[in-house]
Amino acid sequence: DSGVTQTPKHLITATGQRVTLRCSPRSGDLSVYWYQQSLDQGLQFLIQYYNGEERAKGNILERFSAQQFPDLHSELNLSSLELGDSALYFCASSASSWRSPLHFGNGTRLTVT
Amino acid sequence: AQKITQTQPGMFVQEKEAVTLDCTYDTSDPSYGLFWYKQPSSGEMIFLIYQGSYDQQNATEGRYSLNFQKARKSANLVISASQLGDSAMYFCAMREGSNTGNQFYFGTGTSLTVIP
Repeated sequence: DSGVTQTPKHLITATGQRVTLRCSPRSGDLSVYWYQQSLDQGLQFLIQYYNGEERAKGNILERFSAQQFPDLHSELNLSSLELGDSALYFCASSASSWRSPLHFGNGTRLTVT
Repeated sequence: AQKITQTQPGMFVQEKEAVTLDCTYDTSDPSYGLFWYKQPSSGEMIFLIYQGSYDQQNATEGRYSLNFQKARKSANLVISASQLGDSAMYFCAMREGSNTGNQFYFGTGTSLTVIP
């Protein structure tokens, strides 16, 4: 158990809809990262938050947004969903040291129909 | 330039044999960490092993060891005595010390299949 909690585990929705993915980081970790993994693809970095503030942005679409709350949990909002947004979305957290690994949640498998 | 390069899209190994998964990295930062992750078909990402740039010895965790060659900028994962449960995707990643964003750079992964 990584200590990172992601909900929901599965999500099926229609094109054009909006969904929210939720993540609770490991206790003590201030950084939260979001990744997208499409079928048989590698990990695409979306966005990182550190202690409530956006720290880095990757290949995140304008239709996607995220935030980290004072209790350090984070939400990833995906809107105007398209078929191509179907993917496994990971949340991960880490301590600040460069020696610290990323700890991943189990992911949310999003299917857009 | 790619920060992390994994040149083996797919690998096969006989059960009980050892296998080496290649990873090369690119950084000018003297402080960095190298990490390997396993992703089985069920989808979760499992942290396996860590090697720091200042570590003099190769990291080991059970059947996993890291062949760290700093001058060649390689950090290959060695899995000894392969088991059927080792069949999975394996990702190499790096984190730089001076990177204020503390970003993780991932390779494209290697798919390992263990043959009975």
